[in-house]
Amino acid sequence: SAVISQKPSRDICQRGTSLTIQCQVDSQVTMMFWYRQQPGQSLTLIATANQGSEATYESGFVIDKFPISRPNLTFSTLTVSNMSPEDSSIYLCSVSGDNSGNTIYFGEGSWLTVV
Amino acid sequence: RKEVEQDPGPFNVPEGATVAFNCTYSNSASQSFFWYRQDCRKEPKLLMSVYSSGNEDGRFTAQLNRASQYISLLIRDSKLSDSATYLCVVRRGSTLGRLYFGRGTQLTVWP
Repeated sequence: SAVISQKPSRDICQRGTSLTIQCQVDSQVTMMFWYRQQPGQSLTLIATANQGSEATYESGFVIDKFPISRPNLTFSTLTVSNMSPEDSSIYLCSVSGDNSGNTIYFGEGSWLTVV
Repeated sequence: RKEVEQDPGPFNVPEGATVAFNCTYSNSASQSFFWYRQDCRKEPKLLMSVYSSGNEDGRFTAQLNRASQYISLLIRDSKLSDSATYLCVVRRGSTLGRLYFGRGTQLTVWP
């Protein structure tokens, strides 16, 4: 199994500011995924963070709003830029646990409240 | 239409009850199916994969009907510790294809 550490675990942010969430994995992984879970909603994939290349964003998410870094095979960051109350959400880092992709591990999540 | 649809519940059942959750998916190209469990204010964790022939893990039984694009989860002899939100998850296409999550079905088991 993979152990994933996310920081911060929670934060209250002022609108208009930006916050960077860090994700550290205890083993090398090819792909890391960033999800958002808004209150009462399902998890939605924001982007796939690839080491050595730009992240791949899903429809509705753009790099200017959610810049991602992936400097090595065990670490990634997601920045939520120019935050508004609509960005209040849980942000989850995720990795695939094996080559089959059938086991997905999540970090404990970063709970952001924008006021 | 959403990729994955679930009855959000909540389901409130007494200990020992049997409860069933249903899920439908819209894309017939979906290849892999899972149930995840998410406790309040925690990250989702894999409960079980769902295989075409159906599969059982202790008190939990998962079924897949590809023709109807329908997945189910049956929990027998419910325990207080089963209280959580159960997420239906579908993978489209290849092994590392994108995952689609349902909104989850909330279950509360009361003593």
